[in-house]
Amino acid sequence: NAGVTQTPKFQVLKTGQSMTLQCAQDMNHNSMYWYRQDPGMGLRLIYYSASEGTTDKGEVPNGYNVSRLNKREFSLRLESAAPSQTSVYFCASATGTSASYEQYFGPGTRLTVT
Amino acid sequence: TQLLEQSPQFLSIQEGENLTVYCNSSSVFSSLQWYRQEPGEGPVLLVTVVTGGEVKKLKRLTFQFGDARKDSSLHITAAQPGDTGLYLCAGGVAYSGAGSYQLTFGKGTKLSVIP
Repeated sequence: NAGVTQTPKFQVLKTGQSMTLQCAQDMNHNSMYWYRQDPGMGLRLIYYSASEGTTDKGEVPNGYNVSRLNKREFSLRLESAAPSQTSVYFCASATGTSASYEQYFGPGTRLTVT
Repeated sequence: TQLLEQSPQFLSIQEGENLTVYCNSSSVFSSLQWYRQEPGEGPVLLVTVVTGGEVKKLKRLTFQFGDARKDSSLHITAAQPGDTGLYLCAGGVAYSGAGSYQLTFGKGTKLSVIP
């Protein structure tokens, strides 16, 4: 069982370049999330998708766009990368509510923007 | 914006010692979760607490949710090198309008257990 997969694992971009981070889950979860993790900042929510066909902004959406392609896939796009977007990006999917809620995370994409 | 303050930020202890990590907020959460993250990997859920005052034990780890559901603690007894990692607390809130349940994460406690 693959769980949550992310591609690529590592990426180096020059300022102004664009790229799409891919995420897929095979657990039939409705909700999917994109986070970024920076030293000393914890995990911050970029965008989320409560269900197929819907997306909403999180805490730090500026400079990003997302697409919920289908129930399995949720992609994150950087249209014009900036050095401030250097970070580790995690995708997660989730099931349940309250007591049964659990987010499953992918292994992350380490992005460096020079 | 709901904030979760975690302390300490860093903790380095000898094998066999006990430790407690704290997670505090001024907001009430529907649930409080603790995750553990190892280098190069995504966080993995350890436990979810839902009821105020609830205590859950996972081997040498004891988790407690505050009576007012605003704070939580993680206590590790007789720490081992395998406990080394980043511990994250996360408060859960339901957003009925969006039909979604979201987590607000603390900044984490980086624990090093020295053999």
